[in-house]
Amino acid sequence: DAKTTQPPSMDCAEGRAANLPCNHSTISGNEYVYWYRQIHSQGPQYIIHGLKNNETNEMASLIITEDRKSSTLILPHATLRDTAVYYCIDLNYGGATNKLIFGTGTLLAVQP
Amino acid sequence: GAGVSQSPRYKVAKRGQDVALRCDPISGHVSLFWYQQALGQGPEFLTYFQNEAQLDKSGLPSDRFFAERPEGSVSTLKIQRTQQEDSAVYLCASSVPSGVPNNEQFFGPGTRLTVL
Repeated sequence: DAKTTQPPSMDCAEGRAANLPCNHSTISGNEYVYWYRQIHSQGPQYIIHGLKNNETNEMASLIITEDRKSSTLILPHATLRDTAVYYCIDLNYGGATNKLIFGTGTLLAVQP
Repeated sequence: GAGVSQSPRYKVAKRGQDVALRCDPISGHVSLFWYQQALGQGPEFLTYFQNEAQLDKSGLPSDRFFAERPEGSVSTLKIQRTQQEDSAVYLCASSVPSGVPNNEQFFGPGTRLTVL
């Protein structure tokens, strides 16, 4: 079963920032926070990951609280192409498998 | 460059038939994963290969499911005597092994299996 919890859906206006929350109530010290997204009829796509510091790349920013029990993925200027299901995942980096355990994610609908 | 490819993209099988789903990972990727995604759900892990070795098959739902990667590149997921509950999208992903700072998994487009 998934270890993270997310709201099932969110709306965002095109051009505005999208802030997607995630709760990591059982995250352990050696687990990273990963975010993937899945656009309709495609395979999941990696977005970003972090351990305890905030991270930024060309796609998004990731904010992780100090206790690491929650994180927020920020898409600074959402476009219609960002409409997708977003998944946050706790991953035991360096574990034997590095398999991803997906929950049901958050469906982000970007509105024109 | 070429990403992960899967074939066929769509497969319709009659209940009881055997099916074989193919995955071509990114060249040089030693890790390969299979996931099953039911309608409206997130993907669920099935099995994991490192090169030709199947290191984790804990997610395979029954002994009707079998996966192989004999030469450490292309992988095949076989489902014997298909049942209606096997209807799902089957996703393949590849990555470099753990120990690399960014263990990003690259997913293929999936094979949509419909069992009638």
